[in-house]
Amino acid sequence: EPEVTQTPSHQVTQMGQEVILRCVPISNHLYFYWYRQILGQKVEFLVSFYNNEISEKSEIFDDQFSVERPDGSNFTLKIRSTKLEDSAMYFCASSPDRVIYEQYFGPGTRLTVT
Amino acid sequence: GESVGLHLPTLSVQEGDNSIINCAYSNSASDYFIWYKQESGKGPQFIIDIRSNMDKRQGQRVTVLLNKTVKHLSLQIAATQPGDSAVYFCAEPGGTSYGKLTFGQGTILTVHP
Repeated sequence: EPEVTQTPSHQVTQMGQEVILRCVPISNHLYFYWYRQILGQKVEFLVSFYNNEISEKSEIFDDQFSVERPDGSNFTLKIRSTKLEDSAMYFCASSPDRVIYEQYFGPGTRLTVT
Repeated sequence: GESVGLHLPTLSVQEGDNSIINCAYSNSASDYFIWYKQESGKGPQFIIDIRSNMDKRQGQRVTVLLNKTVKHLSLQIAATQPGDSAVYFCAEPGGTSYGKLTFGQGTILTVHP
């Protein structure tokens, strides 16, 4: 069964550094998402992406965040200057063309900012 | 504002028992709800959904009940198994593109053999 993959599984970085989290969505999906989950808290929406542009973003997704689909398979989340409070689990998700409610999540990347 | 939340943060059951996980929502205009399961070290996994024009929907060993009068939904798991141990979230799609999922706080289900 096809699945969303994410790399790395764990990323440790120093405050102020740039990080890029990578995702490979399910191949025939057209909608892509990033969510984050701070330890012990609920999953929070960051951004949705369709047709090579951002569809919607949350208040969390400020100028320090950006997303890109550099080729036909990868979907990346970049944090330009990480802060301690960016430490969280970051989940990528994708969904088929019309059934956008049924989002398929990857296993997540744990980002630790020190 | 809109919110989707859970009554109980933890639930412990014995294998074979039925489990009921609850969720409250605040927006009476909400028309679609989804239950996700998150196992340790994994991302959320879609379990079942329900539209507001339904009161009940059944899947394999799972049933979701929706009570629009009190803005409450529940997930019932029949004959709970150790593999059902996970965090369960209710979620609601929204946003301008309707792809933005708003998750509740989550309930930790622990199934004891």
